[in-house]
Amino acid sequence: EEQLVESGGRLVQTGGSLRLSCAASGFVFSDYDINWVRQAPGKGLEWVSYISTSGATIYYADAVKGRFTISRDNAKKSVYLQMRNLRQDDTAVYYCAKTGLYNWFDPWGKGTMVAVSS
Amino acid sequence: DIQMTQSPSSLSASVGDRVTITCRASQPISNYLHWYQQRPGKAPKLLIYTASTLQSGVPSRFSGSGSGTDFTLTISSLQPEDFATYFCQQSYNIPPWTFGQGTKVEMK
Repeated sequence: EEQLVESGGRLVQTGGSLRLSCAASGFVFSDYDINWVRQAPGKGLEWVSYISTSGATIYYADAVKGRFTISRDNAKKSVYLQMRNLRQDDTAVYYCAKTGLYNWFDPWGKGTMVAVSS
Repeated sequence: DIQMTQSPSSLSASVGDRVTITCRASQPISNYLHWYQQRPGKAPKLLIYTASTLQSGVPSRFSGSGSGTDFTLTISSLQPEDFATYFCQQSYNIPPWTFGQGTKVEMK
């Protein structure tokens, strides 16, 4: 069974940093692109970042560009999201998701909660 | 950025009802449109990809159609486990990929 498990979310102060991890199992990790998607409390889904299989191609949403960095370690079957200069509007559940052939997301992890407070 | 607009934002329906949700893109996106179901407190689940292809394991009462700018998700006979929020997502060209705001299907 394909599975993704996020970790690293916690309460952090405004301006702080956090590193999220996404561990994969059940598929050949190095063959798939991975995305991060977030969901603020009671709100909709917002795509955050994308990384290709080798890490050579990376994209970010404008809202996080310059503050977040995505990376991956294919040997560890993991993707990371380094978050810096966190703001209150970064408060959300952060999901990682495997990317399908035409960039649909499946499966998703269960998510990890990031709360940014002053 | 491509804007995705879903309608309605919420609806009330009964078990057995036929339910239709629409999603409109701000520019043509061919068939790069995907649908997800999200139950409370859970991660989204892929239902349909590329507008009309049913994901493996998804019941056949779910169907999708459309191309260009207008798309629909139909549940032919609503079941108790279908009360959830549904999102569309476009993946046309390079990111940013965007989602509709969601449609909450509630029990009447």
